[in-house]
Amino acid sequence: AQSVTQPDIHITVSEGASLELRCNYSYGATPYLFWYVQSPGQGLQLLLKYFSGDTLVQGIKGFEAEFKRSQSSFNLRKPSVHWSDAAEYFCAVVDTGTASKLTFGTGTRLQVTL
Amino acid sequence: DGGITQSPKYLFRKEGQNVTLSCEQNLNHDAMYWYRQDPGQGLRLIYYSQIVNDFQKGDIAEGYSVSREKKESFPLTVTSAQKNPTAFYLCASSIPQGRYGYTFGSGTRLTVV
Repeated sequence: AQSVTQPDIHITVSEGASLELRCNYSYGATPYLFWYVQSPGQGLQLLLKYFSGDTLVQGIKGFEAEFKRSQSSFNLRKPSVHWSDAAEYFCAVVDTGTASKLTFGTGTRLQVTL
Repeated sequence: DGGITQSPKYLFRKEGQNVTLSCEQNLNHDAMYWYRQDPGQGLRLIYYSQIVNDFQKGDIAEGYSVSREKKESFPLTVTSAQKNPTAFYLCASSIPQGRYGYTFGSGTRLTVV
């Protein structure tokens, strides 16, 4: 079965600083990979997705992520963080072999200091 | 605008009672899902349905039940057999294979009092 690991539970960055959130996955074939963002008490919003082609994908709100097969990673990056980016971020992988179930990491909570 | 509507936003239940959480979508998606979210545990799959009148258990189905009588609707019942039902519940939908990701509702927070 596939799994997703987000090693950082909580990250704090200053506004204007760069950001990288880590995600590692375990999956036999080429996965479909996603990053979602969740504000407190809200649902999840899709930031970006990867399923083939260019390994650097662009998403909404200025986020990007790079798929590295050799490292089984799909890290999320942003060059300059805004205070409104404070939220919880989830990496997820779809099992394309069985029913398209989405498996989530445990999330990384981002705090932005002014 | 197309989307997923979950209701109610907040729900309080007495111990021993069954409660039903509503999930309706107008995205014409075939697949629908229910997740449970607890602090520090991410999202865990309760049930999913890929087509009307068919559904499968997820990783934590015990104490929950679902139905899929209409494409648009996928209600979740939290039964009295669920030992620790206090959580945030999220409904989602997708096209088959989940290639483009899921669309999520805004969630229902269930509290047992």
